[in-house]
Amino acid sequence: SQQGEEDPQALSIQEGENATMNCSYKTSINNLQWYRQNSGRGLVHLILIRSNEREKHSGRLRVTLDTSKKSSSLLITASRAADTASYFCATGPSGSARQLTFGSGTQLTVLP
Amino acid sequence: EAQVTQNPRYLITVTGKKLTVTCSQNMNHEYMSWYRQDPGLGLRQIYYSMNVEVTDKGDVPEGYKVSRKEKRNFPLILESPSPNQTSLYFCASRTGWGLDLTGELFFGEGSRLTVL
Repeated sequence: SQQGEEDPQALSIQEGENATMNCSYKTSINNLQWYRQNSGRGLVHLILIRSNEREKHSGRLRVTLDTSKKSSSLLITASRAADTASYFCATGPSGSARQLTFGSGTQLTVLP
Repeated sequence: EAQVTQNPRYLITVTGKKLTVTCSQNMNHEYMSWYRQDPGLGLRQIYYSMNVEVTDKGDVPEGYKVSRKEKRNFPLILESPSPNQTSLYFCASRTGWGLDLTGELFFGEGSRLTVL
Protein backbone atom coordinates (compact mmCIF):
# COMPACT_ATOMS: atom_id res chain seq x y z
CA SER A 1 0.00 0.00 0.00
CA GLN A 2 1.24 3.50 -0.78
CA GLN A 3 2.17 5.52 2.24
CA GLY A 4 3.93 8.54 0.76
CA GLU A 5 2.36 10.77 -1.84
CA GLU A 6 4.47 13.30 -3.72
CA ASP A 7 3.26 16.67 -4.86
CA PRO A 8 3.34 17.94 -7.52
CA GLN A 9 3.22 14.99 -9.89
CA ALA A 10 5.21 16.98 -12.43
CA LEU A 11 7.34 20.11 -12.18
CA SER A 12 9.07 22.05 -14.93
CA ILE A 13 11.59 24.81 -14.14
CA GLN A 14 14.43 26.72 -15.74
CA GLU A 15 18.05 25.90 -15.04
CA GLY A 16 19.31 27.83 -12.02
CA GLU A 17 15.93 27.94 -10.30
CA ASN A 18 15.12 26.03 -7.13
CA ALA A 19 12.86 22.98 -7.22
CA THR A 20 10.67 21.99 -4.30
CA MET A 21 8.86 18.69 -4.03
CA ASN A 22 6.60 17.62 -1.21
CA CYS A 23 5.73 14.29 0.31
CA SER A 24 2.84 13.52 2.63
CA TYR A 25 2.33 10.28 4.51
CA LYS A 26 -0.32 8.76 6.72
CA THR A 27 1.12 6.78 9.60
CA SER A 28 4.01 7.25 12.00
CA ILE A 29 7.46 6.65 10.58
CA ASN A 30 10.96 5.68 11.63
CA ASN A 31 12.61 7.58 8.80
CA LEU A 32 11.87 9.10 5.42
CA GLN A 33 14.10 8.75 2.39
CA TRP A 34 14.31 10.45 -0.98
CA TYR A 35 15.37 8.62 -4.12
CA ARG A 36 16.07 9.76 -7.64
CA GLN A 37 15.37 7.83 -10.83
CA ASN A 38 16.68 8.79 -14.23
CA SER A 39 14.43 7.67 -17.06
CA GLY A 40 14.38 3.87 -17.32
CA ARG A 41 17.13 3.42 -14.73
CA GLY A 42 17.32 2.15 -11.17
CA LEU A 43 16.59 4.31 -8.17
CA VAL A 44 19.46 6.01 -6.39
CA HIS A 45 19.32 6.96 -2.73
CA LEU A 46 19.70 10.69 -2.10
CA ILE A 47 19.13 11.34 1.57
CA LEU A 48 17.61 9.84 4.70
CA ILE A 49 16.05 11.86 7.50
CA ARG A 50 15.07 10.26 10.78
CA SER A 51 11.86 10.96 12.63
CA ASN A 52 13.70 12.92 15.33
CA GLU A 53 15.37 15.22 12.78
CA ARG A 54 13.79 18.33 11.29
CA GLU A 55 16.20 19.27 8.53
CA LYS A 56 19.08 17.72 6.67
CA HIS A 57 21.43 18.94 3.94
CA SER A 58 23.50 17.17 1.34
CA GLY A 59 25.19 19.33 -1.27
CA ARG A 60 22.43 21.18 -3.16
CA LEU A 61 19.74 19.11 -1.45
CA ARG A 62 17.80 20.21 1.58
CA VAL A 63 15.20 17.97 3.18
CA THR A 64 12.78 18.96 5.90
CA LEU A 65 10.51 16.76 7.94
CA ASP A 66 7.44 17.82 9.90
CA THR A 67 6.13 14.81 11.77
CA SER A 68 3.20 16.77 13.22
CA LYS A 69 1.95 17.43 9.68
CA LYS A 70 3.23 14.08 8.38
CA SER A 71 5.02 15.78 5.53
CA SER A 72 8.47 16.26 4.07
CA SER A 73 9.92 18.49 1.39
CA LEU A 74 12.93 18.11 -0.88
CA LEU A 75 14.54 21.31 -2.12
CA ILE A 76 17.07 21.23 -4.94
CA THR A 77 18.87 24.55 -5.20
CA ALA A 78 20.38 26.03 -8.35
CA SER A 79 18.98 23.23 -10.48
CA ARG A 80 20.78 21.88 -13.52
CA ALA A 81 19.53 20.09 -16.63
CA ALA A 82 21.16 16.94 -15.23
CA ASP A 83 18.72 17.08 -12.28
CA THR A 84 15.93 16.10 -14.67
CA ALA A 85 14.58 12.86 -13.19
CA SER A 86 11.77 11.40 -11.11
CA TYR A 87 12.02 11.85 -7.37
CA PHE A 88 10.42 9.48 -4.90
CA CYS A 89 9.91 9.65 -1.18
CA ALA A 90 9.94 6.42 0.77
CA THR A 91 8.72 6.07 4.30
CA GLY A 92 10.12 3.65 6.81
CA PRO A 93 7.31 2.90 9.22
CA SER A 94 7.71 2.30 12.90
CA GLY A 95 6.30 -0.52 14.94
CA SER A 96 5.53 -3.87 13.38
CA ALA A 97 5.39 -2.63 9.79
CA ARG A 98 8.94 -2.99 8.60
CA GLN A 99 9.15 -2.20 4.92
CA LEU A 100 9.89 0.93 2.99
CA THR A 101 6.84 2.23 1.13
CA PHE A 102 7.32 4.36 -1.96
CA GLY A 103 5.16 7.11 -3.36
CA SER A 104 4.39 7.52 -7.06
CA GLY A 105 6.98 10.23 -7.58
CA THR A 106 7.45 13.75 -8.92
CA GLN A 107 8.75 14.12 -12.46
CA LEU A 108 11.15 17.08 -12.50
CA THR A 109 12.17 18.64 -15.79
CA VAL A 110 14.92 21.27 -15.73
CA LEU A 111 15.03 23.26 -18.95
CA PRO A 112 18.41 24.56 -20.15
CA GLU B 1 32.33 -1.83 -7.76
CA ALA B 2 29.39 -2.30 -5.40
CA GLN B 3 26.32 -3.16 -7.40
CA VAL B 4 23.08 -5.04 -7.80
CA THR B 5 22.92 -6.87 -11.13
CA GLN B 6 19.72 -7.98 -12.79
CA ASN B 7 19.27 -10.14 -15.87
CA PRO B 8 17.76 -9.95 -18.36
CA ARG B 9 17.36 -6.20 -18.72
CA TYR B 10 14.69 -6.62 -21.40
CA LEU B 11 12.45 -9.59 -22.11
CA ILE B 12 9.44 -10.22 -24.27
CA THR B 13 7.64 -13.46 -23.62
CA VAL B 14 4.25 -15.10 -24.10
CA THR B 15 1.55 -15.98 -21.62
CA GLY B 16 2.30 -19.12 -19.65
CA LYS B 17 5.98 -19.48 -20.50
CA LYS B 18 7.91 -19.73 -17.25
CA LEU B 19 10.70 -17.24 -16.77
CA THR B 20 13.25 -16.26 -14.15
CA VAL B 21 14.76 -12.85 -13.56
CA THR B 22 18.06 -13.15 -11.74
CA CYS B 23 19.40 -10.71 -9.17
CA SER B 24 22.84 -10.72 -7.63
CA GLN B 25 24.53 -8.31 -5.23
CA ASN B 26 28.20 -8.10 -4.30
CA MET B 27 27.86 -6.06 -1.10
CA ASN B 28 27.25 -8.96 1.32
CA HIS B 29 23.81 -7.53 2.10
CA GLU B 30 21.44 -9.59 4.22
CA TYR B 31 18.25 -7.97 2.95
CA MET B 32 17.04 -8.24 -0.65
CA SER B 33 13.74 -7.27 -2.24
CA TRP B 34 11.83 -7.23 -5.52
CA TYR B 35 9.63 -4.35 -6.68
CA ARG B 36 7.55 -3.70 -9.72
CA GLN B 37 7.02 -0.23 -11.11
CA ASP B 38 3.94 0.71 -13.08
CA PRO B 39 2.90 4.17 -14.31
CA GLY B 40 1.03 6.11 -11.65
CA LEU B 41 1.47 3.38 -9.05
CA GLY B 42 5.03 3.97 -7.93
CA LEU B 43 7.04 1.03 -6.67
CA ARG B 44 5.20 -1.88 -5.12
CA GLN B 45 6.99 -4.59 -3.23
CA ILE B 46 6.57 -8.16 -4.48
CA TYR B 47 8.71 -10.24 -2.11
CA TYR B 48 11.57 -9.62 0.25
CA SER B 49 14.17 -11.68 2.07
CA MET B 50 15.70 -10.82 5.42
CA ASN B 51 18.45 -13.42 5.02
CA VAL B 52 19.27 -16.77 3.44
CA GLU B 53 16.27 -19.14 3.42
CA VAL B 54 14.01 -16.40 4.86
CA THR B 55 11.51 -14.86 2.44
CA ASP B 56 8.20 -13.09 2.89
CA LYS B 57 5.44 -11.60 0.79
CA GLY B 58 5.24 -7.94 0.00
CA ASP B 59 2.21 -6.04 -1.22
CA VAL B 60 1.72 -7.76 -4.59
CA PRO B 61 3.07 -11.34 -4.41
CA GLU B 62 0.41 -13.09 -6.52
CA GLY B 63 1.88 -14.83 -9.57
CA TYR B 64 5.47 -14.65 -8.34
CA LYS B 65 7.88 -16.92 -6.50
CA VAL B 66 11.30 -16.26 -5.03
CA SER B 67 14.08 -18.24 -3.43
CA ARG B 68 17.12 -17.28 -1.36
CA LYS B 69 19.52 -20.19 -1.32
CA GLU B 70 22.62 -17.99 -1.25
CA LYS B 71 23.18 -14.60 0.31
CA ARG B 72 24.12 -12.86 -2.93
CA ASN B 73 21.30 -14.17 -5.18
CA PHE B 74 17.56 -13.57 -5.10
CA PRO B 75 15.85 -14.74 -8.30
CA LEU B 76 12.26 -13.78 -9.17
CA ILE B 77 10.28 -16.57 -10.80
CA LEU B 78 7.14 -16.15 -12.88
CA GLU B 79 5.75 -19.67 -13.20
CA SER B 80 2.98 -18.77 -15.65
CA PRO B 81 3.31 -15.15 -16.73
CA SER B 82 0.22 -13.19 -17.69
CA PRO B 83 -0.12 -9.83 -19.50
CA ASN B 84 -0.87 -8.02 -16.21
CA GLN B 85 2.69 -8.85 -15.15
CA THR B 86 4.04 -6.63 -17.89
CA SER B 87 6.06 -4.15 -15.89
CA LEU B 88 9.46 -2.77 -14.95
CA TYR B 89 11.01 -4.88 -12.21
CA PHE B 90 13.66 -3.80 -9.74
CA CYS B 91 15.78 -5.80 -7.35
CA ALA B 92 17.21 -4.00 -4.33
CA SER B 93 19.39 -4.83 -1.37
CA ARG B 94 20.61 -3.27 1.85
CA THR B 95 22.76 -4.12 4.76
CA GLY B 96 21.46 -5.17 8.13
CA TRP B 97 18.14 -6.40 9.37
CA GLY B 98 18.34 -5.35 12.97
CA LEU B 99 16.69 -2.44 14.70
CA ASP B 100 17.09 -0.10 11.74
CA LEU B 101 15.00 -2.13 9.39
CA THR B 102 14.50 0.49 6.74
CA GLY B 103 17.91 1.83 5.78
CA GLU B 104 19.16 2.88 2.38
CA LEU B 105 18.34 0.57 -0.51
CA PHE B 106 20.65 -0.14 -3.42
CA PHE B 107 18.79 -0.81 -6.66
CA GLY B 108 19.58 -2.74 -9.79
CA GLU B 109 19.10 -1.16 -13.21
CA GLY B 110 15.75 -2.80 -13.79
CA SER B 111 14.29 -5.54 -15.98
CA ARG B 112 11.59 -4.52 -18.44
CA LEU B 113 9.25 -7.45 -18.98
CA THR B 114 6.54 -7.65 -21.61
CA VAL B 115 4.10 -10.56 -21.55
CA LEU B 116 2.11 -11.00 -24.76
